[in-house]
Amino acid sequence: QVQLVESGGGLVKPGGSLRLSCAASGFTFSDYYLDWIRQAPGEGLEWISHISSSGTTINYADSVKGRFTISRDNARNSLYLQMNSLRAEDTGVYYCARVLRSGGDAFDLWGRGTMVTVSS
Amino acid sequence: AVRLTQSPSSFSASTGDRVTITCRASQGISSYLAWYQQKPGMAPKLLIYAASTLQNGVPSRFSGSGSGTDFTLTISCLQSEDFATYFCQQYFSYPFTFGPGTKVDFK
Repeated sequence: QVQLVESGGGLVKPGGSLRLSCAASGFTFSDYYLDWIRQAPGEGLEWISHISSSGTTINYADSVKGRFTISRDNARNSLYLQMNSLRAEDTGVYYCARVLRSGGDAFDLWGRGTMVTVSS
Repeated sequence: AVRLTQSPSSFSASTGDRVTITCRASQGISSYLAWYQQKPGMAPKLLIYAASTLQNGVPSRFSGSGSGTDFTLTISCLQSEDFATYFCQQYFSYPFTFGPGTKVDFK
């Protein structure tokens, strides 16, 4: 089954860290670019990071640059997001998403998301 | 960053209605625009990419048009399963951005 499954979310205090994982199955993971997108409770979608298929090209939103690190392990079919210096405004559901192989950087496959709550 | 606005922000409709949602970009983005549908508690689902290309498996009652700064998502005959929130997204330049969403609920 073609799917992405996120894990690693939870409750963390401001200034703390979390590492999110995204496990892929049912497709050739190493062929695809991947991104992280988040959604604050009751809010819209915010793109936060992108990584190329080989991991050599990475981009971040300004809101997370210097605090979050995206990485991938193609041998393990896994995507990661290391989140440090967490703030209350980082609270939300974090989705990993696969980039469409043709037709530009639209996201054709999403995980169900993992909830991150930053609160004291 | 490219800012996207959507109109309306919400509206009520009935099954069988023709529905049009617009998305406007703060600068030209060619056709680098996608549309997503999201239902409560679920991940977004890709409907349209490259402004007008229907994603595999998406019903043909959905269509997209536009280029440059003005884009439209049309649902030709609203079905019960289409009541949801719709987002546009630009991938012309980083940071990728999403519109604020348009919620379509039942009249």
